[in-house]
Amino acid sequence: ELKVEQNPLFLSMQEGKNYTIYCNYSTTSDRLYWYRQDPGKSLESLFVLLSNGAVKQEGRLMASLDTKARLSTLHITAAVHDLSATYFCAVDRDSNYQLIWGAGTKLIIKP
Amino acid sequence: DAGVTQSPTHLIKTRGQQVTLRCSPISGHKSVSWYQQVLGQGPQFIFQYYEKEERGRGNFPDRFSARQFPNYSSELNVNALLLGDSALYLCASSLGQGAYEQYFGPGTRLTVT
Repeated sequence: ELKVEQNPLFLSMQEGKNYTIYCNYSTTSDRLYWYRQDPGKSLESLFVLLSNGAVKQEGRLMASLDTKARLSTLHITAAVHDLSATYFCAVDRDSNYQLIWGAGTKLIIKP
Repeated sequence: DAGVTQSPTHLIKTRGQQVTLRCSPISGHKSVSWYQQVLGQGPQFIFQYYEKEERGRGNFPDRFSARQFPNYSSELNVNALLLGDSALYLCASSLGQGAYEQYFGPGTRLTVT
């Protein structure tokens, strides 16, 4: 059974600091997704990582994938308050749009 | 272009009742997936349909059923509602055929009392 684990589950940090969210998964998988969710809202796609060593960056967020370690990271650089949200990673093992999700990391960035 | 749309936005049902949730994918998208998100948790995969056929089912009881119509819209039905069915139900659409992006609708918030 495919399992996806995120840590930490909760993170409170000051603006301007850097931090990393980790996503481990238990079996080989084709695709790794990162999504953002604001309170009471739907899911916003951030990144899709398809191959070992893939790195993608958008603004202050950078995601990477190590398929050998079954690990993805989401790095936040010089955090700003607007990045406060819950971040989810999800894995599509067989490229069939049947995503298995982590529990989410609730990120609070204090001004 | 319109994104994924879902209806209704919110609804309140009583235990034992039945509910139907609706989803319209992005124009041209042929794959629809349904997810259940209980408050404070990550989404759980329920169903996936492609070209009107069920292609995958998550670990949900038979009270949950779905279908996809010729225009690729989809319905999720839940019978004999339980309190534990209270959740945000999310629909996602994809092009299929090797495309990897999934686009999520705004969700339907179901409350069972």
